[in-house]
Amino acid sequence: GAVVSQHPSRVICKSGTSVKIECRSLDFQATTMFWYRQFPKQSLMLMATSNEGSKATYEQGVEKDKFLINHASLTLSTLTVTSAHPEDSSFYICSASGLAGDIAKNIQYFGAGTRLSVL
Amino acid sequence: AQTVTQSQPEMSVQEAETVTLSCTYDTSESDYYLFWYKQPPSRQMILVIRQEAYKQQNATENRFSVNFQKAAKSFSLKISDSQLGDAAMYFCAYSGSQGNLIFGKGTKLSVKP
Repeated sequence: GAVVSQHPSRVICKSGTSVKIECRSLDFQATTMFWYRQFPKQSLMLMATSNEGSKATYEQGVEKDKFLINHASLTLSTLTVTSAHPEDSSFYICSASGLAGDIAKNIQYFGAGTRLSVL
Repeated sequence: AQTVTQSQPEMSVQEAETVTLSCTYDTSESDYYLFWYKQPPSRQMILVIRQEAYKQQNATENRFSVNFQKAAKSFSLKISDSQLGDAAMYFCAYSGSQGNLIFGKGTKLSVKP
């Protein structure tokens, strides 16, 4: 159990276009989802935390208008990179938490990530 | 603010041998959780082991065990009988009252046949 699906796995887009990344919890209800960004050979940096039905909480330095996060249901969160530019190229990873017992244990289950390349 | 430090950017171990990855953290919270995650070349994050701070007993998962020293704020990972499939980036992570994960910079583990 506790499978998180992230789609697409890779996307290449032109500068100025918007890209949407989906994160789904397949077999559990995710009350909280997290979005991370990972640069090559670096660690994961938390971008934002989203709770179902409420606005996402962004980390300091993350542009809310650039990275739109929606968590409209207990199984789906989306990250939209608006007007993407080459500097937005990165690896984006989502995670979800929500199994009743695991919420107390702060366990997050991760998607496989999305490699975004902006030309 | 909480911080997680992994002082070993790279480690190497011979197949079937034992290796220990180091991690220290800083926090003023008394209730928290510590994790080791593995990230293989596929980049899928895999939970290796977790430790609740209130538990004195060190967590163990098959070949993986931790040495949790709460007073020293140390949380090392020991991998016994290393296998080629253990080669990956290993991240130490902290989770406290906010619920989010704070990661260390990672240790790249190589396993020599």
